[in-house]
Amino acid sequence: GQNIDQPTEMTATEGAIVQINCTYQTSGFNGLFWYQQHAGEAPTFLSYNVLDGLEEKGRFSSFLSRSKGYSYLLLKELQMKDSASYLCAVRRWNSGNTPLVFGKGTRLSVIA
Amino acid sequence: DAGVIQSPRHEVTEMGQEVTLRCKPISGHDYLFWYRQTMMRGLELLIYFNNNVPIDDSGMPEDRFSAKMPNASFSTLKIQPSEPRDSAVYFCASSSTLVNTGELFFGEGSRLTVL
Repeated sequence: GQNIDQPTEMTATEGAIVQINCTYQTSGFNGLFWYQQHAGEAPTFLSYNVLDGLEEKGRFSSFLSRSKGYSYLLLKELQMKDSASYLCAVRRWNSGNTPLVFGKGTRLSVIA
Repeated sequence: DAGVIQSPRHEVTEMGQEVTLRCKPISGHDYLFWYRQTMMRGLELLIYFNNNVPIDDSGMPEDRFSAKMPNASFSTLKIQPSEPRDSAVYFCASSSTLVNTGELFFGEGSRLTVL
């Protein structure tokens, strides 16, 4: 089976840094993804980790620890447009583009 | 480049009616996925195809749901008969094995309301 947990809601201040955590328990692992979803829109790809460590992409960074079943998404210099849901997702198998299993998402509100 | 295209964007229907949702994946992508999103359950996989062949339909809720992919550029998800509990946003996504991450590209979704 699979279980992906992330906080339901978070609030942070414009210009600040926020860390969104994700823990997972899945049968098999072949990568962890973060997606951003604005209200009423499609999820869009943010980051991908398959090896332990930190991946940095502009204001966004994502970290993975496979032994702990843990990831986080770090957003720096928060802007109002970063208000959205952030979805953690895991790919389970090791061949092909098998589907992603998604957490329920963390709704981030950025306030002035 | 065109992204994943879904239609209709919004559908309101009455219980018992047939609903057909359509999806055109990104050209050249060899995987197609149908997901359903609700507040309670989040994004759930319904079915996925590889090279037009259904690989796993274990997420399809019941026999009222069916999906087809007659060719590489078109897929349908059909609900017959529809029920109020089917109300959700249905997303189609596609991906390519040629892309290192194999990330999914989502369409804008079809918001279904069954009265």
